[in-house]
Amino acid sequence: GQQVMQIPQYQHVQEGEDFTTYCNSSTTLSNIQWYKQRPGGHPVFLIQLVKSGEVKKQKRLTFQFGEAKKNSSLHITATQTTDVGTYFCAEGGSQGNLIFGKGTKLSVKP
Amino acid sequence: NAGVTQTPKFQVLKTGQSMTLQCAQDMNHNSMYWYRQDPGMGLRLIYYSASEGTTDKGEVPNGYNVSRLNKREFSLRLESAAPSQTSVYFCACTVGTVSYEQYFGPGTRLTVT
Repeated sequence: GQQVMQIPQYQHVQEGEDFTTYCNSSTTLSNIQWYKQRPGGHPVFLIQLVKSGEVKKQKRLTFQFGEAKKNSSLHITATQTTDVGTYFCAEGGSQGNLIFGKGTKLSVKP
Repeated sequence: NAGVTQTPKFQVLKTGQSMTLQCAQDMNHNSMYWYRQDPGMGLRLIYYSASEGTTDKGEVPNGYNVSRLNKREFSLRLESAAPSQTSVYFCACTVGTVSYEQYFGPGTRLTVT
């Protein structure tokens, strides 16, 4: 079945350092969504990418969709303690269902 | 607006017991979903309902049943709980069947002993 592979599984950074998580698929992705889940919380939608090569920014967060639509990345510039959480990529299915990667857990040391 | 609500927040069951997890949304969304989240596994789809009156199996449906009671409510039932069903369960909704952002409830933490 469809699989979305996400790396790394964990990332520990010093506050102020940058952070990147990657999402890869062996098949072409129709679209990719990114979610953030704070510890003890629920996933919260960040963004959706649809077009090949698409780049979107939200303040310190930059999202990219690969030219071949087989990979995506989320980059955070100058991490803050408020960025702590698990970041998930997910492919949208034909029924609106989501196929999630296993997530990257980010910890930030102040 | 409450968004997506789930009850209960926590539950402990003994093996073989049954229970129903409740989910309701006040967003007037058509599609609703049940996911389970296990450590290191991400979220996996159990069942979904693309519209009122329809339900379909997701990736891990075994041991579960669902009911789309009306447009607002989508319940998940465990008929005979097993320790392997210990997990955090999230309900979500989205406006339609084309890929849109999903809105998640706060989750139900279920432990089966």
